[in-house]
This record gives sequence, structure tokens and C-alpha cells, in this order.
Amino acid sequence: EAGVAQSPRYKIIEKRQSVAFWCNPISGHATLYWYQQILGQGPKLLIQFQNNGVVDDSQLPKDRFSAERLKGVDSTLKIQPAKLEDSAVYLCASRPGLAGGHEQFFGPGTRLTVL
Amino acid sequence: DQQVKQNSPSLSVQEGRISILNCDYTNSMFDYFLWYKKYPAEGPTFLISISSIKDKNEDGRFTVFLNKSAKHLSLHIVPSQPGDSAVYFCAASPSGYALNFGKGTSLLVTP
Repeated sequence: EAGVAQSPRYKIIEKRQSVAFWCNPISGHATLYWYQQILGQGPKLLIQFQNNGVVDDSQLPKDRFSAERLKGVDSTLKIQPAKLEDSAVYLCASRPGLAGGHEQFFGPGTRLTVL
Repeated sequence: DQQVKQNSPSLSVQEGRISILNCDYTNSMFDYFLWYKKYPAEGPTFLISISSIKDKNEDGRFTVFLNKSAKHLSLHIVPSQPGDSAVYFCAASPSGYALNFGKGTSLLVTP
């Protein structure tokens, strides 16, 4: 079974530029998460989708971050404009659904550096 | 506020000995607890979990203990192996919701 795919793996941009990350979850997984992991910290939830609907985006900085999962499969996370403090690893995770097993399966992450 | 705390940033253990990683939480609504292992440049990998109705779960060399009254859980690795060297994250969630992670503990197992 293929794991969670993310691209790009690394991205370097200057502040005020925009950037987009892509995630393809494990086939059949209805629930998808985006996390931000700043160096030395644990992952922090940005947004949770159930199919193509948003379950929780309370910690998403909506003035600059946006995310979508239009067809309920893959998802994109965008930052516009980027700030220095957005430098982090952006992790995508999925799980089969809200019922059943609680384990989330993570992709390799995208490391963003904002200069 | 940090609802899941791992107060030891690092731990060094000799190969063959027991590794004990600790985690404390503050939210009494958490009912599911997980441990993840992370190697550099990779995403976290699920290791073991426990629900709030249990106090122990074992999987091979890994055992997780949950003390609900103390809001404390621990991960025991016996015997420790050099390949266990990684960052270990404790995570917790109310059922169906996203995970709240600790800051991680870096485990080094020396030969």
C-alpha cells in the first residue's frame, strides 16, 4: 500500500512570496490533516478535512494560509504572503475516517525556508 | 498552551537496557494516546497506542503505560537497540479529532 505522498520535499522562498504544497493521502482515507512543525516543537494542527469538508481550521492563520481538498482526495496548502516565521516542516497525514483506528499516517513533509 | 508535555528533551541509554520515555497531559477529554517515532527528514511513524479504558498495551519490545489519575503515560522499550535512536513524540486526542503532540524526546541508544 502506497503511503502519503507530499511534494515538493524542500522549498526556499523569500518573504512576501507565495508557496503551495501538495498532498496525496493513502487511497480510501477520508480524513486528511495538515500540520506545521517548527524546529524543536511537535507538529501542530493547521486544518482537518473529512472528505472535502473542513472539520477544524481553528488554528489556521486564515489571513495568509488557505487549504482545499476539492474532490475529497488530494489536497493543497497555500501560504500567501509568506513570513519568516512560516519556516517549518509542513506535514500531511491521513486516516481512514473519524470512526475506527486513531492512528494517523504521515507523509515525509515539505521543509519550507523563508528568507 | 501545551496540553501534552514531554519534559525530557533527550535520553541516552545503553544497548540492551530499558528506555523509558515519559509524557504528561492536561486535558481530561483526551481518550486516545499514541507514540510516534521520527527519523531525520522523514515523517513521524506510528509506534503504539492506548485508549483511556486501558492502562497498558504491549507490542513486542514496546509497552505503553497509562495512569489516568496522574495524567501520565510512559513508553518502555526493552531491550533498547541502536536502531531505536530517533525522536519520540507523545500525542493525544479526544476521539475523532486531531492529535496534540508533545515537543519530543530524542533517544540515543549507544552500543
